[in-house]
Amino acid sequence: EAQVTQNPRYLITVTGKKLTVTCSQNMNHEYMSWYRQDPGLGLRQIYYSMNVEVTDKGDVPEGYKVSRKEKRNFPLILESPSPNQTSLYFCASSDLTNTEAFFGQGTRLTVV
Amino acid sequence: AQRVTQPEKLLSVFKGAPVELKCNYSYSGSPELFWYVQYSRQRLQLLLRHISRESIKGFTADLNKGETSFHLKKPFAQEEDSAMYYCALQIYNQGGKLIFGQGTELSVKP
Repeated sequence: EAQVTQNPRYLITVTGKKLTVTCSQNMNHEYMSWYRQDPGLGLRQIYYSMNVEVTDKGDVPEGYKVSRKEKRNFPLILESPSPNQTSLYFCASSDLTNTEAFFGQGTRLTVV
Repeated sequence: AQRVTQPEKLLSVFKGAPVELKCNYSYSGSPELFWYVQYSRQRLQLLLRHISRESIKGFTADLNKGETSFHLKKPFAQEEDSAMYYCALQIYNQGGKLIFGQGTELSVKP
């Protein structure tokens, strides 16, 4: 089954403790991205990648890092999480024609 | 500036009533617009895109460049249509980035 898989689904952590949210897709898509969803703001892009070793900032990249060492994986790294990064995070992938983006199930992160 | 606006946070209708979810965009280029839907406890999924001119689950959306709108319509709402709906604009010169509206929650009552 074609899908995008994120882990974990839920995470509660403390300020400053590094964490990684994984994202994997099995559709051989070139394009992957991370979004955060906040009430009243919709989804905002954090980072995106057009292929292996090619990443770029989205609209709200501060406090986040990503890597794209393999085509299928695009982890989101929070080196020193802060409470304002409490949010619902979505990973998405698509091919370069971008006719449709496929989304993961979401990761609900709480930073206390 | 590139922007997508969905003016209604919540839209509540009765089963069988017509429904229209509004979407306006701001973009200097030729727009590629989409509607994504998120049912309860499920991931976002594509509902329809303007370029395909399809009707999916009875929903249609017409791009009106003069009014910069891409409203989603259905003549007779069903309870299973209750979900969160997002309008999205694709930016090709930024790697196909999607800019989302704030979302509209549609509630269809029996």
